[in-house]
Amino acid sequence: GAGVSQSPRYKVAKRGQDVALRCDPISGHVSLFWYQQALGQGPEFLTYFQNEAQLDKSGLPSDRFFAERPEGSVSTLKIQRTQQEDSAVYLCASSLGRPSYEQYFGPGTRLTVT
Amino acid sequence: GQQLNQSPQSMFIQEGEDVSMNCTSSSIFNTWLWYKQDPGEGPVLLIALYKAGELTSNGRLTAQFGITRKDSFLNISASIPSDVGIYFCAGHTGANSKLTFGKGITLSVRP
Repeated sequence: GAGVSQSPRYKVAKRGQDVALRCDPISGHVSLFWYQQALGQGPEFLTYFQNEAQLDKSGLPSDRFFAERPEGSVSTLKIQRTQQEDSAVYLCASSLGRPSYEQYFGPGTRLTVT
Repeated sequence: GQQLNQSPQSMFIQEGEDVSMNCTSSSIFNTWLWYKQDPGEGPVLLIALYKAGELTSNGRLTAQFGITRKDSFLNISASIPSDVGIYFCAGHTGANSKLTFGKGITLSVRP
């Protein structure tokens, strides 16, 4: 079946612009996660949704980062007033939810802030 | 915060050889997962481990969940060129649902 999809795959933004990154999870997956991956590093947790509820946003680096999942399926990660340090790959993952901890990742969106 | 340690950063092997990589933590994890990431793609789940001492295979891959719950290893047997990529370990404490990742090991396979 279809996996996790993300769009756009690549985004170039000028410093100060707002961006919105979209994630379509695997159909039926209750849990959705956003991770940030810097070059040469492992993914780092940003935020977690169970259905439409955002249960953990402890990894969001600043109040410029905002995520939503209003209908419990598609999710959007928004970054306001982008800075150069926001340049990274943003990965979305979904899972069936408890008791399964297996998370399946999308291809990511590579954000470059110039 | 919690960290998973993977070393060395890179490994170079000959096609057909076996390779083993491990992952250690200073704290306990209740679930261990191993992922492979190719350039420009997201991580792909290889193996998930749920019980201390568990040994699980997936084709040429074998992984074990350490008895102390603070480590795991992944073994690849009879390596082939398509095994090239970055291998990440990840752990889950069960306290929340986020995964903590290691920094990854880049595997190169010489033909």
